[in-house]
Amino acid sequence: QKEVEQNSGPLSVPEGAIASLNCTYSDRGSQSFFWYRQYSGKSPELIMSIYSNGDKEDGRFTAQLNKASQYVSLLIRDSQPSDSATYLCAVNSGKLIFGQGTELSVKP
Amino acid sequence: DVKVTQSSRYLVKRTGEKVFLECVQDMDHENMFWYRQDPGLGLRLIYFSYDVKMKEKGDIPEGYSVSREKKERFSLILESASTNQTSMYLCASSFLGSGQGDPSSYNEQFFGPGTRLTVL
Repeated sequence: QKEVEQNSGPLSVPEGAIASLNCTYSDRGSQSFFWYRQYSGKSPELIMSIYSNGDKEDGRFTAQLNKASQYVSLLIRDSQPSDSATYLCAVNSGKLIFGQGTELSVKP
Repeated sequence: DVKVTQSSRYLVKRTGEKVFLECVQDMDHENMFWYRQDPGLGLRLIYFSYDVKMKEKGDIPEGYSVSREKKERFSLILESASTNQTSMYLCASSFLGSGQGDPSSYNEQFFGPGTRLTVL
């Protein structure tokens, strides 16, 4: 069983819509959670960190954490073509464990 | 801003060659990591280091070694390159956490630009 699971996608949304990216994890003791954005051929870039249950907002990005359901999500409001990338969920379970990533495509 | 740099963006080597990949960070981070990333396999941890001269094996250490002589520099060594080591190699760094369950072990990792290594 994978420790961090994401839908591989591709997830396609029209420009201006809300993109919703989901991630589940298996270790109930996990304490910190991260979202990285990775453009094709580039390295991962940290965009959000979340440590407590609930929502955390940063500009157009909102991370949501539900530890009881072992679920973390990333919402991107007003999606832009420049948001087209692979989004990696990472969970700290003593070491950082990455999901396989979800490919997001924002169509103009 | 955190800055992690890697010695080469693209590298082409021949089978059997010894390959050195270098990584330098300027944020005084204690932790440094080497990953490789392959399509369909995601990010896989090769080695990491919590301190100078200290190293720990990750998930796929076979065929690799590392060196950390200075806090800011972490080197990955392929002793005898093979074609199955063709990959994107990513270095990352982070502040030291104090273990699972401690909020200070945030382990936000910051990545370098990557080295695309091709072994012919």
